[in-house]
Amino acid sequence: EADIYQTPRYLVIGTGKKITLECSQTMGHDKMYWYQQDPGMELHLIHYSYGVNSTEKGDLSSESTVSRIRTEHFPLTLESARPSHTSQYLCASRGVVSPLHFGNGTRLTVT
Amino acid sequence: EDKVVQSPLSLVVHEGDTVTLNCSYEVTNFRSLLWYKQEKKAPTFLFMLTSSGIEKKSGRLSSILDKKELFSILNITATQTGDSAVYLCAVEARAGGTSYGKLTFGQGTILTVHP
Repeated sequence: EADIYQTPRYLVIGTGKKITLECSQTMGHDKMYWYQQDPGMELHLIHYSYGVNSTEKGDLSSESTVSRIRTEHFPLTLESARPSHTSQYLCASRGVVSPLHFGNGTRLTVT
Repeated sequence: EDKVVQSPLSLVVHEGDTVTLNCSYEVTNFRSLLWYKQEKKAPTFLFMLTSSGIEKKSGRLSSILDKKELFSILNITATQTGDSAVYLCAVEARAGGTSYGKLTFGQGTILTVHP
């Protein structure tokens, strides 16, 4: 099973603050993803990466940005958090033939 | 645009019942279909079905893929309260298309198993 870690698990922050959600995986997977999921709703892909220095926007428009400077690290940044950003953010990775494995998620609340 | 539709949206059963969850899809250059179980945290992987593996079984859970009719089912026999969760279906496209490597998820089926 893939080892993929997200920090923090929970974050409550005020409007206008800059935040970075961390995601790291130890499996050497090239492909990494960020999904956003509101309570009781489906997962929406917001960013993905197929390798170092490769990032793409997903199907759901997001004001967040990502970077992929190292294979194992795929952080997501919000420059100025707003209440509409309140959600759960799930990071995932996969290898060439392996299924997608998720981290435990970050629950973000913007007050 | 790739599309995944799951049904029913929610299902309430009693322990010992058998349930069938449905997933229909539209995807350009199909590569694989995956089932996940999501409780309170992140989705956990159940099965991956591809052209070379259209039927999978693990304990009380089993799944089949019908590539001709573009759907999959997830069966759970002798349900237990611990099976209560959201079950997610996702599809992936092959390389060469714009959606390569991305999984498109359905909205999920909420399964509640009462004692």
